[in-house]
Amino acid sequence: SQQGEEDPQALSIQEGENATMNCSYKTSINNLQWYRQNSGRGLVHLILIRSNEREKHSGRLRVTLDTSKKSSSLLITASRAADTASYFCATEGGYQKVTFGTGTKLQVIP
Amino acid sequence: DAGITQSPRYKITETGRQVTLMCHQTWSHSYMFWYRQDLGHGLRLIYYSAAADITDKGEVPDGYVVSRSKTENFPLTLESATRSQTSVYFCASSARRGAYEQYFGPGTRLTVT
Repeated sequence: SQQGEEDPQALSIQEGENATMNCSYKTSINNLQWYRQNSGRGLVHLILIRSNEREKHSGRLRVTLDTSKKSSSLLITASRAADTASYFCATEGGYQKVTFGTGTKLQVIP
Repeated sequence: DAGITQSPRYKITETGRQVTLMCHQTWSHSYMFWYRQDLGHGLRLIYYSAAADITDKGEVPDGYVVSRSKTENFPLTLESATRSQTSVYFCASSARRGAYEQYFGPGTRLTVT
């Protein structure tokens, strides 16, 4: 069964707006990663946040982690058409097992 | 070319046939993974390998066989393809398991008729 579940399943915004997507998970984790998948391509790693971290930044990306709520959010600021993709969270629980969620499909309209 | 490659990129096969999907990485990563991606299920782990000659089952291993005689190659074989194995298959590699970035190949779209 999937550990992480992204919300919303799909999101459509105008270029320049911010995009926020969320990931909820069920059991304790060691870390959480976010990946991007462009249409017809493989996944590309974006950022990793460890369970003892609350927030992390990378360029226009901001990731937060709330272990008490078992949730994470990915914020993309000042979105661009090139950000159009599916975004997946991946959680690492026990035994170094990494489980991917079902993804959020983001469309950025120019 | 450096990176991780998969072949073929597209494959159509008939029910009951054996088909092998190839994966090759040039980083000498210890870990390699096979996932399948289906609508509504996200990515599900089929098999993974921690090193040459060491493989282990993932979430959905039934109907699949893997081998890893060399660090750089990790082929996935469907011994007798079924329509339920129609999917997009991704190979990935990582220096270590767990809190380490996985590098994904471009995927193989397999259709079983």
